[in-house]
Amino acid sequence: ELKVEQNPLFLSMQEGKNYTIYCNYSTTSDRLYWYRQDPGKSLESLFVLLSNGAVKQEGRLMASLDTKARLSTLHITAAVHDLSATYFCAGPYSGAGSYQLTFGKGTKLSVIP
Amino acid sequence: DTEVTQTPKHLVMGMTNKKSLKCEQHMGHRAMYWYKQKAKKPPELMFVYSYEKLSINESVPSRFSPECPNSSLLNLHLHALQPEDSALYLCASSQDSGGWMNTGELFFGEGSRLTVL
Repeated sequence: ELKVEQNPLFLSMQEGKNYTIYCNYSTTSDRLYWYRQDPGKSLESLFVLLSNGAVKQEGRLMASLDTKARLSTLHITAAVHDLSATYFCAGPYSGAGSYQLTFGKGTKLSVIP
Repeated sequence: DTEVTQTPKHLVMGMTNKKSLKCEQHMGHRAMYWYKQKAKKPPELMFVYSYEKLSINESVPSRFSPECPNSSLLNLHLHALQPEDSALYLCASSQDSGGWMNTGELFFGEGSRLTVL
């Protein structure tokens, strides 16, 4: 069974600062997903990383994947308040012939002025 | 702009009620999922339907009964629930259950927030 661990679980950062969220997973996988969730809302897909060395950027967020290290990172550049949310990474596994995602515990990000 | 639609958005029910949650997608996806999410926790998989057949039931109590009438629709029938079943129920879809031939990305609906009294 795939295990996905994120750290930190809570992150309070000042506007304008940079920080990185880490996501480790337990079994070999060539892909990894990042989602964002605002309070009381559903999950919004941020990044789909499909191969070793994949890097994707959207605005102030950049995600990367190192399948050999079983590690993905979500880097935040010059944080703004609008980035405050909970960020989940998720890894895939195929069980009972079906494909599914296992989520990390999430990183609750608070960006303060 | 989610293309997975869930109804109702909010549901309050007593422990003796029978209700249903509904989910619809028009992306041509062949795999559909129910996840349960408690406050401040990650989503937990409940059921997976692949090509309209139930392929995974993650040891979910029988008071939750899924149904997939066709490839676009997914229902979750609720009966005799407990207060601890109060949660956000998320429906998701993906291109197919194999996952490996496509991106495997799951698209989530807005969720149905269930309160059991």
